[in-house]
Amino acid sequence: AQSVAQPEDQVNVAEGNPLTVKCTYSVSGNPYLFWYVQYPNRGLQFLLKYITGDNLVKGSYGFEAEFNKSQTSFHLKKPSALVSDSALYFCAVRDLDSNYQLIWGAGTKLIIKP
Amino acid sequence: AAGVIQSPRHLIKEKRETATLKCYPIPRHDTVYWYQQGPGQDPQFLISFYEKMQSDKGSIPDRFSAQQFSDYHSELNMSSLELGDSALYFCASALARYNEQFFGPGTRLTVL
Repeated sequence: AQSVAQPEDQVNVAEGNPLTVKCTYSVSGNPYLFWYVQYPNRGLQFLLKYITGDNLVKGSYGFEAEFNKSQTSFHLKKPSALVSDSALYFCAVRDLDSNYQLIWGAGTKLIIKP
Repeated sequence: AAGVIQSPRHLIKEKRETATLKCYPIPRHDTVYWYQQGPGQDPQFLISFYEKMQSDKGSIPDRFSAQQFSDYHSELNMSSLELGDSALYFCASALARYNEQFFGPGTRLTVL
């Protein structure tokens, strides 16, 4: 069965420092991977996706993610964190047993301190 | 740019009442998904529609039903509401099944 793991409940980063939010996945075939961000009391916003091609994917708000097939990881990164990046981040993989469902990670709370 | 619209944004109901949540997808998007997100939890997939037909079913209780209409808007009908149904309900739409989903702002349902 497909699954997604976000090993960190919370990540604390000082403003201006690089940030990484981890995600690992388990799928039976080629993964479709996504990152979404959720600000307090707001809906989920799409950040970026990996389907095929270049392993480094660039997305919204300066975020990028690196697909690593051997490590089955899709970590979210940003070179220089902003306080406004503080939010809940979800990694998701498309369930290949079901063409339409997203399997979600538990979410990682990112806190950027000034 | 047009986004996914959900109504109402907030809803308060009593136990055993019914509720109807509405979702208006991004124009020309052919797929709609419904999710339930409890406090501090990741979104749980409920049900999806592609071209007005139910395409997949997740952890949707039998008390809930949904449909997608000819104008592609969707409604989630919830009956015999329970306290545990209190959650944020998101609708998402996508253009074609394999593309990214765009989420609405959600409807916060509180069951008293």
